[in-house]
Amino acid sequence: GNSVTQMEGPVTLSEEAFLTINCTYTATGYPSLFWYVQYPGEGLQLLLKATKADDKGSNKGFEATYRKETTSFHLEKGSVQVSDSAVYFCALSDLDTGRRALTFGSGTRLQVQP
Amino acid sequence: DAGVIQSPRHEVTEMGQEVTLRCKPISGHDYLFWYRQTMMRGLELLIYFNNNVPIDDSGMPEDRFSAKMPNASFSTLKIQPSEPRDSAVYFCASSPPSGVQETQYFGPGTRLLVL
Repeated sequence: GNSVTQMEGPVTLSEEAFLTINCTYTATGYPSLFWYVQYPGEGLQLLLKATKADDKGSNKGFEATYRKETTSFHLEKGSVQVSDSAVYFCALSDLDTGRRALTFGSGTRLQVQP
Repeated sequence: DAGVIQSPRHEVTEMGQEVTLRCKPISGHDYLFWYRQTMMRGLELLIYFNNNVPIDDSGMPEDRFSAKMPNASFSTLKIQPSEPRDSAVYFCASSPPSGVQETQYFGPGTRLLVL
C-alpha cells in the first residue's frame, strides 16, 4: 500500500537558518505530492504541491521538488522565520488506486528560535 | 468563502455519552473527509464521501462510530458510546469535484476529550 515517511522531529533552528525536512514515499501508481502545515490550534493548510515528476511546488519561500527516481519530496526554505514554527506534513494522493484520500506522514515539528 | 466549518471546536464529555461532531464543507465541493489526529497514530482517515455517498469507511474504528451526509452541505460524525481512547482532534476536509485538483481543504478541527 501507499506510505509516507518523514524525518523525526522536532527540528530546532535559529532564525534565518536553512531548512530541510525530508520526505520519502511508497506508492503503487504516480501520486500527487503535498506539503501541509499545521499551526498551533489550527487545522491543516496546503503549503505546496506537485502533481508529476520533476515538478517543483513553491509557496511563501518554501520549495519541494517531486523526485520520482528517489521517491522523495523534501521541503526546503532558504531562511526560516519564527512565524514558520509549526508542524509540517508530507502527503500523497494516488488516484490510480481509485482512492481519493490522502496518505499522510507522521508530521515534523519545526521550532524556530529568534 | 468561509472555508470548512466544524462544530463544536471543543467537546468534553464523560465515558458512555453520545458525541456528535458536525461539518459544513466548502460550497461546490463534492468530496468530504473525516480524519482523526492523535499523538500515537498521527492523522488517520476515518471515512470519506462523494456526492453524499460513503465511498470508503475502512478507517472507522468500530461500530461505535458512524457518519452521515444527508445533503451536500452537512455531515455528522457520531460516537456512541464514547470511550476515553476516542479523545483526539477530529478534522473534516472537503475537496472539489473529480479531476486533477486533489487538494483537500481542512476545517479547524474539533478537540474531543472523553473522561
